[in-house]
Amino acid sequence: EPEVTQTPSHQVTQMGQEVILRCVPISNHLYFYWYRQILGQKVEFLVSFYNNEISEKSEIFDDQFSVERPDGSNFTLKIRSTKLEDSAMYFCASSPQVLGNQPQHFGDGTRLSIL
Amino acid sequence: TQLLEQSPQFLSIQEGENLTVYCNSSSVFSSLQWYRQEPGEGPVLLVTVVTGGEVKKLKRLTFQFGDARKDSSLHITAAQPGDTGLYLCAGGGGSTLGRLYFGRGTQLTVWP
Repeated sequence: EPEVTQTPSHQVTQMGQEVILRCVPISNHLYFYWYRQILGQKVEFLVSFYNNEISEKSEIFDDQFSVERPDGSNFTLKIRSTKLEDSAMYFCASSPQVLGNQPQHFGDGTRLSIL
Repeated sequence: TQLLEQSPQFLSIQEGENLTVYCNSSSVFSSLQWYRQEPGEGPVLLVTVVTGGEVKKLKRLTFQFGDARKDSSLHITAAQPGDTGLYLCAGGGGSTLGRLYFGRGTQLTVWP
């Protein structure tokens, strides 16, 4: 069964450094998302992306965050200058459509640890 | 902000017992998705319900969407140790398309 793949599985970075988290969504999907989950807390929406532009972003997704689809298969999340509070699991998801009956399929996440 | 409250937060039962977990909101959602998450992994989709009053069955799991599309339940019959995991509900649609609003989850432990 097709799946969303994320790399790396674990990223350790010094505070203030830039990180890029990578995702390969399911091949025929058109809508892409990033979520994060801080340890012990609920999964939170960051951003959705369609047709090479951001569809929606949450209040968490401030100017230090950016997303890009650099080619036909990858979808990346960049954090420009990491803070300690950016430490979390980051999940990528994709969906064939944005309609309510089209579920989002999640990758296994990247654990980001900021030192 | 559309909030989903899940209850109970923790549930510990013996193999063979039945259980129900709940997902409630004051907001209307166009769809409600149930996921199961294992430690260190991403949420794995179990089911999506979209119609008020809809009931879906997945082997021993029965999912129901409330008539008003504000709440949902997951019932497991004859629970097995392999059912152990974190069960998450996530609401989609409503005022904002695409974005999912997650509950905190119910951590289920089934003892042999």
